[in-house]
Amino acid sequence: NAGVTQTPKFRVLKTGQSMTLLCAQDMNHEYMYWYRQDPGMGLRLIHYSVGEGTTAKGEVPDGYNVSRLKKQNFLLGLESAAPSQTSVYFCASSYGGTGPGTGELFFGEGSRLTVL
Amino acid sequence: GQSLEQPSEVTAVEGAIVQINCTYQTSGFYGLSWYQQHDGGAPTFLSYNALDGLEETGRFSSFLSRSDSYGYLLLQELQMKDSASYFCAVREIGKLIFGQGTELSVKP
Repeated sequence: NAGVTQTPKFRVLKTGQSMTLLCAQDMNHEYMYWYRQDPGMGLRLIHYSVGEGTTAKGEVPDGYNVSRLKKQNFLLGLESAAPSQTSVYFCASSYGGTGPGTGELFFGEGSRLTVL
Repeated sequence: GQSLEQPSEVTAVEGAIVQINCTYQTSGFYGLSWYQQHDGGAPTFLSYNALDGLEETGRFSSFLSRSDSYGYLLLQELQMKDSASYFCAVREIGKLIFGQGTELSVKP
């Protein structure tokens, strides 16, 4: 049982290049999330999805786009990378609704992105 | 918008008890979660409080007061392996918003 898988785990980009981070979950979760974490900082929500075909903006959405064409996948795109987007990106998933299970997020191992 | 406040650093000795507080301001509050993160790895879930009161899971307990917009994580019988970052997070409809984290250092 893989849980939440992120690819790639490491990537170095030049300013202006584009790339896509892929997140896949095998737990049939409704909700999926993309966070970024910078040194000494908490996790900041970039975008999230409450179901297949839906996306919504989080706290820091500028410069990123997302898609959720299939329930198990959530893609994060950087159209024109900037040095300020150097960060560790975490994908997570959870059950839907507002019940007790929705407080628990299952995280991937993170994707470490450097933009030069 | 949302805001969460928790101390940036806490130091304690092995075997002691430590409490990490979290105050929050948010709309559409459904519950408060706690997570642990070691050395920048994947955060792991510790607890979730949707109702007022204390929840206990082994050495860890979590408390919530919805009327005071306040919660805490209590760690008992501290061990060296508890040295990590701890995050509180508020559950709103559709999303979970995290605090800045508390770096816990456990000394021998």
